[in-house]
Amino acid sequence: KAGVTQTPRYLIKTRGQQVTLSCSPISGHRSVSWYQQTPGQGLQFLFEYFSETQRNKGNFPGRFSGRQFSNSRSEMNVSTLELGDSALYLCASSLVLGNTIYFGEGSWLTVV
Amino acid sequence: GESVGLHLPTLSVQEGDNSIINCAYSNSASDYFIWYKQESGKGPQFIIDIRSNMDKRQGQRVTVLLNKTVKHLSLQIAATQPGDSAVYFCAEKPEGGKLIFGQGTELSVKP
Repeated sequence: KAGVTQTPRYLIKTRGQQVTLSCSPISGHRSVSWYQQTPGQGLQFLFEYFSETQRNKGNFPGRFSGRQFSNSRSEMNVSTLELGDSALYLCASSLVLGNTIYFGEGSWLTVV
Repeated sequence: GESVGLHLPTLSVQEGDNSIINCAYSNSASDYFIWYKQESGKGPQFIIDIRSNMDKRQGQRVTVLLNKTVKHLSLQIAATQPGDSAVYFCAEKPEGGKLIFGQGTELSVKP
C-alpha cells in the first residue's frame, strides 16, 4: 500500500509569489491534515480536512488555505509568500478523524 | 495555551542500552497520544500510539507509558540501535481537536 505522497518535494519561490502543494493520502484514508515544520517553531498544525470539509484550523494567516477533493486528495496554497514561509510542509492522512495519523515525506519550500 | 513539552532536548545512549524519552502534556482533555520518529530529511514516522483508557502499550522494541495523574508520557526503546538515532516527537490530541506536537528530543546512539 502506498504511503502519503506529496508533490513537489522541493521548490524555490520568490517573495510575493504563490505556491500550491499537493497531497495524496493513503488509499482509503479520508482525513488529511497539513503541518508546517521549521527549526524555530517545530511542527505546527495548519488545517485538517474530512469529506471535503475543513474540520480544524491552526493559527495561520489567511494567506494559507487548503481544500480537499472528493477523492480525498488535498492541496494547500500559500499566497503572497514571505521569507518566513520557508519550511517543510507536511501532509498527513488518517482513515477517519481521530485515527492514527501517517505523514508523507513533505514538500521543502524555500522563499527567496 | 495548551502545549506538549519534552523534558530533554537531547539524549545520548550507548548501543544496546535502553532509551527513555519523556514528554509532559498540559491538556487534560487529550485522549490520544502518539510518538513519531523523524530522521533527517524525512517526514515523521509513526512509532506507537496510546489512548487515554490505557496506561501502557507495547510494540516491537518500544513501549509507551501514560500517566494521566501527572500528565506524563514516555517512550521506551529497548536495545537501542544506531538506526534509532533520530528526533522523537510526542503529540497529543483531544477528541475533535487538533494534533499538538512537542518540541522533539534528539536521540543519538553511540556505537
